[in-house]
Amino acid sequence: GENVEQHPSTLSVQEGDSAVIKCTYSDSASNYFPWYKQELGKRPQLIIDIRSNVGEKKDQRIAVTLNKTAKHFSLHITETQPEDSAVYFCAAGDSGTYKYIFGTGTRLKVLA
Amino acid sequence: KAGVTQTPRYLIKTRGQQVTLSCSPISGHRSVSWYQQTPGQGLQFLFEYFSETQRNKGNFPGRFSGRQFSNSRSEMNVSTLELGDSALYLCASSLTGNTDTQYFGPGTRLTVL
Repeated sequence: GENVEQHPSTLSVQEGDSAVIKCTYSDSASNYFPWYKQELGKRPQLIIDIRSNVGEKKDQRIAVTLNKTAKHFSLHITETQPEDSAVYFCAAGDSGTYKYIFGTGTRLKVLA
Repeated sequence: KAGVTQTPRYLIKTRGQQVTLSCSPISGHRSVSWYQQTPGQGLQFLFEYFSETQRNKGNFPGRFSGRQFSNSRSEMNVSTLELGDSALYLCASSLTGNTDTQYFGPGTRLTVL
């Protein structure tokens, strides 16, 4: 069945360093890949997304890359700040199924 | 615009009982999806509704059901509760549900004793 694997499950970085989270999906029909940030006790919020016709997208310190051939997509956060500490979820969606499959999350800790 | 709202925010039930959770989407959004969030499992898709029709369903037992009303508000029901049903239940709304941005509600924390 459809599956999204996300790594690592936890990630600690020093403030100012970069963080990279990687996801692999199994359904080749997936064509939409959002990333969500969930702070403790709060709801998931979309931080960036990418569609299958684009290889890379950037928004200030956040970027996402997509390799459709390898079925990989990654979140890159540069110049990390303590407020970036949260759980990050990747997801894969298929316009034909109205369904999003989420990864199991990465707990990012930015150490001051 | 008001965000997605969910009621109640917290529920404590005992095994064997049933529960109904409610979700009000953002005004104008017609798609509502439900997810179960548990530690280590991420968000697992339960079902998606659009214009009162269920268009997809996740791999959950038949004890989990839902519905959507003509005003796009949605409810989900869990019957014969089990301890393993303890989780945060999140709903998310979007305009069409067709790979557009989903906005999540704050969730309902269900504890089954």
